[in-house]
Amino acid sequence: DTAVSQTPKYLVTQMGNDKSIKCEQNLGHDTMYWYKQDSKKFLKIMFSYNNKELIINETVPNRFSPKSPDKAHLNLHINSLELGDSAVYFCASSHQRLAGGSTDTQYFGPGTRLTVL
Amino acid sequence: RKEVEQDPGPFNVPEGATVAFNCTYSNSASQSFFWYRQDCRKEPKLLMSVYSSGNEDGRFTAQLNRASQYISLLIRDSKLSDSATYLCVLVTGGGNKLTFGTGTQLKVEL
Repeated sequence: DTAVSQTPKYLVTQMGNDKSIKCEQNLGHDTMYWYKQDSKKFLKIMFSYNNKELIINETVPNRFSPKSPDKAHLNLHINSLELGDSAVYFCASSHQRLAGGSTDTQYFGPGTRLTVL
Repeated sequence: RKEVEQDPGPFNVPEGATVAFNCTYSNSASQSFFWYRQDCRKEPKLLMSVYSSGNEDGRFTAQLNRASQYISLLIRDSKLSDSATYLCVLVTGGGNKLTFGTGTQLKVEL
């Protein structure tokens, strides 16, 4: 069984379109994340949700709107796509942060390769 | 200065060689440290945590030097399957925020 799954795996679209990427985890984790990995392979966190509540928002443009209908799902909707949005988007999940500031392992989905033409 | 800096490589080494990567970080408040591995066109996966006392997992040894703000990864007896990009990762911001380095690419050759 896939622990963290994302759909679609590949997404090719025109500038100006609106698109969504879906993520689901079956690990029973409380926290989910979206990361963006650009063409230079730099992986950067975008958002983090804990039990459907937004806890990290890394100054991502308003065109990006995450939605968490329940703690097993975290979807990413992108409005008015731009060329610079082309990247691989990874979803991840982990258990709730442990007391004392330590962090449980994050498990990543297989990624969604977005190409904006 | 970037939060996390790594030599991008590639490090080309023969099978059986020992290879070491360093990673420096700028935020002295960083709480935890990890090495992740990312294969080409795949997702990152946790390789190992890094503890102040140093820790070993088979052929892999990780060390943390808080005074000099760097972590290291040593791979002994390299295998072809070790070829990947190794990402240095810090935890900041209350425990949930992972900050990734850009990675060091390793190529193990026959």
